[in-house]
Amino acid sequence: DVVMTQSPLSLPVTLGQPASISCRSSQSLVYSDGNTYLNWFQQRPGQSPRRLIYKVSNRDSGVPDRFSGSGSGTDFTLKISRVEAEDVGVYYCMQATHWPPWTFGQGTKVEIK
Amino acid sequence: EVQLVESGGGLAQPGGSLRLSCAASGFIFSSYSMNWVRQAPGRGPEWVSYISGFSRTIYYADSVKGRFTISRDDAKSSLYLQMNSLRAEDTAVYYCARADDGDCWGQGTLVTVSS
Repeated sequence: DVVMTQSPLSLPVTLGQPASISCRSSQSLVYSDGNTYLNWFQQRPGQSPRRLIYKVSNRDSGVPDRFSGSGSGTDFTLKISRVEAEDVGVYYCMQATHWPPWTFGQGTKVEIK
Repeated sequence: EVQLVESGGGLAQPGGSLRLSCAASGFIFSSYSMNWVRQAPGRGPEWVSYISGFSRTIYYADSVKGRFTISRDDAKSSLYLQMNSLRAEDTAVYYCARADDGDCWGQGTLVTVSS
């Protein structure tokens, strides 16, 4: 199975400041169709995971443009340009290229300083 | 609006059984593959099972193979997970998730396996 490794695992951020989360996969996530199936999910406290970004850099409907995804191959990044209070929660990267199974990173907990 | 609503969770004894349901609305259910994903307390999500449209293709995580059975009823826009021979380590919130890459998840149903 593909191992997804996130860093940092905890990220205290000042409101209005940027935040960045790294995700690395144990093998390339480029699929045979040329797409890279790397998604980012947000899980607010007490809620279910919500997909924010799909195929590395595409924002889902309703996701604020302060969230952006980038990367290629095995190295990926989720950035929040200016953290707001509603961004508190745990963020997971997930690969859907080499499945089954989907595999998730350990999660990065974003909190306000 | 796309909605996925899970039900059927609860307390089960080790070795017991539960059947989870996921009611879908707001989209053409038969056109989508579906998944079950679980999340143990304080842990990240863990994919459990997948079923394609028309139930042609089914996959299971090694941890549940031979004990869990996924199924769907397109006429009722519903997804199911029959869980047998339950173990303590199956304790988790169980989510249904749409499509090959999980674009939409339900709110989850809690399964607790304990004597």
